Amino acid sequence: DIQMTQSPSSLSASVGGRVTISCRASQTISNYVNWYQHRPGQAPKLLIYSASTLQNGVPSRFAGGGSGTDFTLSISNLQPEDFATYFCQQTYNMPFTFGPGTTVDIK
Amino acid sequence: QVQLVESGGGVVQPGRSLRLSCAASGLDFSGYGFHYFRQPPGKGLEWVAFISYDGANKYYADSVKGRFTISRDDSKNMLYLQMNSLRGEDSAVYYCATGTATYYFEYWARGTLVAVSS
Repeated sequence: DIQMTQSPSSLSASVGGRVTISCRASQTISNYVNWYQHRPGQAPKLLIYSASTLQNGVPSRFAGGGSGTDFTLSISNLQPEDFATYFCQQTYNMPFTFGPGTTVDIK
Repeated sequence: QVQLVESGGGVVQPGRSLRLSCAASGLDFSGYGFHYFRQPPGKGLEWVAFISYDGANKYYADSVKGRFTISRDDSKNMLYLQMNSLRGEDSAVYYCATGTATYYFEYWARGTLVAVSS
């Protein structure tokens, strides 16, 4: 199975600030990475697919990058609704696997 | 507007069974493959099972193979996960999900909690 790691596991940031979350795959996965936002009690929300494509309706302050084994999710101009947990997911091979998550909370 | 609504979760004793249901609306159900994912308490998301759009192909995580069965009823726009011989490690919030492409999932249910405990 492809292992996905994320860093950091948590971070604190201010409204209006910028954060970057990293995700690394245990083998090359081309650009088959998706990023999700997850709030407690809610359905995960797709933000980015194919490493860098913004899902319809997702604000442009979210941006994804990378290919091969190293990927990033950046959030600029943080808004109150952005404080949540973020997961990366690889869909290069089944079983599709996720990173352990990064929790972004308010500083 | 696409909506997936899960039901069927609850508290169950080890070794017993439970069936989860996922009701879909707002999409051409018979044209979509579906996945189940789960999130154990305090842990990350993990993939559980997949069924293709026509039901011909089904795949399972090694941890549930032989115990869980995914199925669909296109006449009712319903997806099911039959879970037998439940174990403590199956305790999790279970989500059904699908997408317009095979490699990303923009439609998720809110999830249903399964707690396996004596």
